[in-house]
Amino acid sequence: SAVISQKPSRDICQRGTSLTIQCQVDSQVTMMFWYRQQPGQSLTLIATANQGSEATYESGFVIDKFPISRPNLTFSTLTVSNMSPEDSSIYLCSVALGRTEAFFGQGTRLTVV
Amino acid sequence: GENVEQHPSTLSVQEGDSAVIKCTYSDSASNYFPWYKQELGKRPQLIIDIRSNVGEKKDQRIAVTLNKTAKHFSLHITETQPEDSAVYFCAAQRQRGSGNTGKLIFGQGTTLQVKP
Repeated sequence: SAVISQKPSRDICQRGTSLTIQCQVDSQVTMMFWYRQQPGQSLTLIATANQGSEATYESGFVIDKFPISRPNLTFSTLTVSNMSPEDSSIYLCSVALGRTEAFFGQGTRLTVV
Repeated sequence: GENVEQHPSTLSVQEGDSAVIKCTYSDSASNYFPWYKQELGKRPQLIIDIRSNVGEKKDQRIAVTLNKTAKHFSLHITETQPEDSAVYFCAAQRQRGSGNTGKLIFGQGTTLQVKP
């Protein structure tokens, strides 16, 4: 497995502001993903963070709202922009080891007030 | 599009009984099926997985079965214990490579309660 550090672990933000979440892995990984988990719900993939190129976004998610950076094989950031209360959720980064197994960071619990 | 259906949404069993959670997937190209356990306030943890070339896999009290023809797979927990209480998620994935990113599509989750 890999050690995945995600920060902040939680934050309370004012609507209209932006928050950047960081994900650091202790080894180089090819694939990094960002998920959203709304209260009491399942995990929904936001995007695949691609090293050296633009992220690949899933239907319903756009770069202007969720810009993602992936400057190297161990680090990625997700920004939640122009936040509204509907963005209150847990955001999780995930890394894929080998060809299949995926492991998660501890998550960022975001509350927008 | 890709979809994974998971049932039941909640499951309550007595300690020592067995629990079964079932998932159905839509993408016939899926060939990897992990199960995650998420305790309250914690990250999802991989507990067992199965690949499409295998019909069943066991790890102590947990087992997973896969029926590729019917496109469904199940998690079986035997001799349940209170610490098994959590939310369980199934997922399906196309193997990474050949243009596939290896993204996971998750089921809706099952809240398992094991009563002492």
